[in-house]
Formats: sequence, C-alpha cells, structure tokens
Amino acid sequence: RKEVEQDPGPFNVPEGATVAFNCTYSNSASQSFFWYRQDCRKEPKLLMSVYSSGNEDGRFTAQLNRASQYISLLIRDSKLSDSATYLCVASSNSGGSNYKLTFGKGTLLTVNP
Amino acid sequence: DAMVIQNPRYQVTQFGKPVTLSCSQTLNHNVMYWYQQKSSQAPKLLFHYYDKDFNNEADTPDNFQSRRPNTSFCFLDIRSPGLGDAAMYLCATSRLGSLGQPQHFGDGTRLSIL
Repeated sequence: RKEVEQDPGPFNVPEGATVAFNCTYSNSASQSFFWYRQDCRKEPKLLMSVYSSGNEDGRFTAQLNRASQYISLLIRDSKLSDSATYLCVASSNSGGSNYKLTFGKGTLLTVNP
Repeated sequence: DAMVIQNPRYQVTQFGKPVTLSCSQTLNHNVMYWYQQKSSQAPKLLFHYYDKDFNNEADTPDNFQSRRPNTSFCFLDIRSPGLGDAAMYLCATSRLGSLGQPQHFGDGTRLSIL
C-alpha cells in the first residue's frame, strides 16, 4: 500500500463547479499534512497546511480525519486558474528533529470555460 | 523575490558526463532537501541536510551525491548520469520545529541526458 494515496484523476470540471480531492495515508505517526499545487513543469507550491481538524482559506477547505487517516480538499466556485495538479502531502518524524514529507502522486484538475 | 534559487533552470549533459546542480536560499532554513521528479510522478526524496548532517534515503543510488558548504548553498552531483536520470530536480528548504514544517521549493532544474 502506498504511503499517501490520492484520487487518480484527472478531473475535468466547468468554471464555477465545486470539486473535492480525497487522500488517505498509511503512516499513523504522520503529524502534519499539506496540500500543494503544481503547475505543469513548475515546482510544487504550498496551498494549505492542515494541522488540526481542518481549515478554510477563501474558496479552499481542507479536512483531516485522523481516525480514518483521511484528508480532503474542497475547491468551491472553481476558476480557470485553479487548473493544476494537487498534491497531498504527509509529514512524519524520521528521527530526532528531522521531518520527512511523503507526497501523493497528485490529481490533475482542469477547469474548463 | 525568489527565496530558493536553483541554477540552471535547464541542464543538458551527455550520458556519463558528471553534472552539478546548485541551490541557494535566503530563508536561513536549517534543512535543505533534494528531490527527483519524473513526469506524472510524485517528487521522490533523494537526501536532505539538517544543518551539516547528511541524511541519505535508503534507495538513493550511489551515483547521486550532495554537498552543503554553508547554510545558504547545497549542491547535487550526479557522477555518471544515465538516461534514467533525466528528470526535474527540485531543491526545497524548511525550518525545524516541533511540528513538521512545510517546505519551500525552488523552481527546479530540468535535466536532459543526450
């Protein structure tokens, strides 16, 4: 089983749609979680950190369920500029003060006019 | 202003010819990471430095080496690049804390092997 698994996608949605990404993680010791977005041939950029039960930032809402080891990202009123690959990331301690990020494979979102 | 800077953006090298990729940061972060990312795949951690302490991933080939001469700079050396090493190489930094901190990525270096 992969450490971080995401919906394989791709997702194609019209502008204004609501889209949800799902992610599960296998390492119960994972402590912090993040959503990154990555545009084609660019570097990953932090979208949201998910530290507790979840948080909201404008059109974006992230949820965390530790019991189910499940994370989600909801995008409301999607824009053309939301088109990107969304990476689910889990952080776990790899010894001492070292933390290691484990990335999911990503889900490609295309928002169509 | 870019805070994690990778040079060059694009690198072409010949099969077997050593190549060095560089990364610098203005964030004064303790930790610097090197990732390899191939098309449609997740970034794969190669190794990281916690200050001067080097931490290699178990499955990173010996062909890949790294140097961190000071806090600001970190280098990735590929001693004998093979065709399978063509990929985007991403440098990232983070600050240590009691919780995992998010990582800040550079723009990446896209490596091609002839």
